[in-house]
Amino acid sequence: AQRVTQPEKLLSVFKGAPVELKCNYSYSGSPELFWYVQYSRQRLQLLLRHISRESIKGFTADLNKGETSFHLKKPFAQEEDSAMYYCALTPSTGFQKLVFGTGTRLLVSP
Amino acid sequence: DADVTQTPRNRITKTGKRIMLECSQTKGHDRMYWYRQDPGLGLRLIYYSFDVKDINKGEISDGYSVSRQAQAKFSLSLESAIPNQTALYFCATKDSDSGIAGELFFGEGSRLTVL
Repeated sequence: AQRVTQPEKLLSVFKGAPVELKCNYSYSGSPELFWYVQYSRQRLQLLLRHISRESIKGFTADLNKGETSFHLKKPFAQEEDSAMYYCALTPSTGFQKLVFGTGTRLLVSP
Repeated sequence: DADVTQTPRNRITKTGKRIMLECSQTKGHDRMYWYRQDPGLGLRLIYYSFDVKDINKGEISDGYSVSRQAQAKFSLSLESAIPNQTALYFCATKDSDSGIAGELFFGEGSRLTVL
């Protein structure tokens, strides 16, 4: 079974502070992991994917297979980063469906 | 971006009524998905379809049915709505040619309230 856990429902930080949104997964095979984001009044959209090793809007995420984690990090949070963030998983053997975590709401205060 | 369109956007109905949520897309994608979003539970997959003749149950399909009328259309039905089906429903699409890294494209959501 595939399972994604995001332990924090809400993460509140001040502008300029570092941010880390936690994501842990449970999957017996090799996973591909993603972060999706939903800004206020916007559609859910892809933020970044592990396979691309990318940095988007200053966010990065590293896959740690030993700890089965894919935490999302940003060194200096901005107010416009306030949103709902979802971690998601699909087997690396082939994309059939995405399994999402429960989401973390990030609130960045001025 | 209106590539993935959901109707209705909001619906209030009563217990026992039949409800259909519709999703249409102009992206030309072959794969379509229905998720529901509940506070504290995130997004859970209801049904998904790889093409018109390939429909699969997700993790919470009980109480729901779907119809893939054409490649561009994927409808979700609640045959007899109950209050715990009150949620925000999302349709999403994906191009199978985009491979493992391919993005899911979401609609704006349909908020359903069952009284």
